[in-house]
Amino acid sequence: ATQLTQSPSSLSASVGDRVTITCRASQDINNALAWYQQNPGKPPKLLIYDASSLESGVPSRFSGSGSGTDFTLTISSLQPEDFATYFCQQFYTYALTFGGGTKVEIK
Amino acid sequence: EVQLVESGGGLVQPGGSLRLSCTASGFSFSSHDMGWVRQAPGKGLEWVSGISGSGGSPYYADSVRRRFTISRDTSKNTLYLEVNSLRVEDTAVYYCTKLSASSPYYYWYMDVWGKGTTVTVSS
Repeated sequence: ATQLTQSPSSLSASVGDRVTITCRASQDINNALAWYQQNPGKPPKLLIYDASSLESGVPSRFSGSGSGTDFTLTISSLQPEDFATYFCQQFYTYALTFGGGTKVEIK
Repeated sequence: EVQLVESGGGLVQPGGSLRLSCTASGFSFSSHDMGWVRQAPGKGLEWVSGISGSGGSPYYADSVRRRFTISRDTSKNTLYLEVNSLRVEDTAVYYCTKLSASSPYYYWYMDVWGKGTTVTVSS
């Protein structure tokens, strides 16, 4: 199975900061990667698919990039509602796999 | 509004069984692949199972194959997950998900999630 490694596992940031989260795949997955946001006690929410396509209704401060094995999720200006945990997921190979998550906390 | 509502979770002893249900609304249920993802307490997300819109071609994670069975009833807009031979490590919130695939890829990402139903396996 394709393993996804996210870094960092957690970070502290302030409102207005630019935040970047990395997801590295154990093999080439082209651009078959999605990003999700999960607030405590809530289900995950799709943010990005195909590595860089913004899901409808998701604010434009979220962006994704990368191809092959290295991917990033960037939040251009962190807002209070963005403090959450973020997961990447690959859909290039079966079984579908998720990264371990990155928790974004308030500094 | 697209909505997925799960039910059927609960407390069960090791070796026991449950049937999880997910009622879908706001979209053409029969036209979309559907799946289940679970999350153990304080842990990350784990793919469990998926099924095509027609009800064929079920997929399972190795950890649940031969113990879990996914199915769907188009007439009721409902997705099911029969969970048998439950183990302590199956304890998790089980999310129903609507699956999407983008060309040229065969497999899925999850574009809609339910709120989840909790399965607790304990003696």
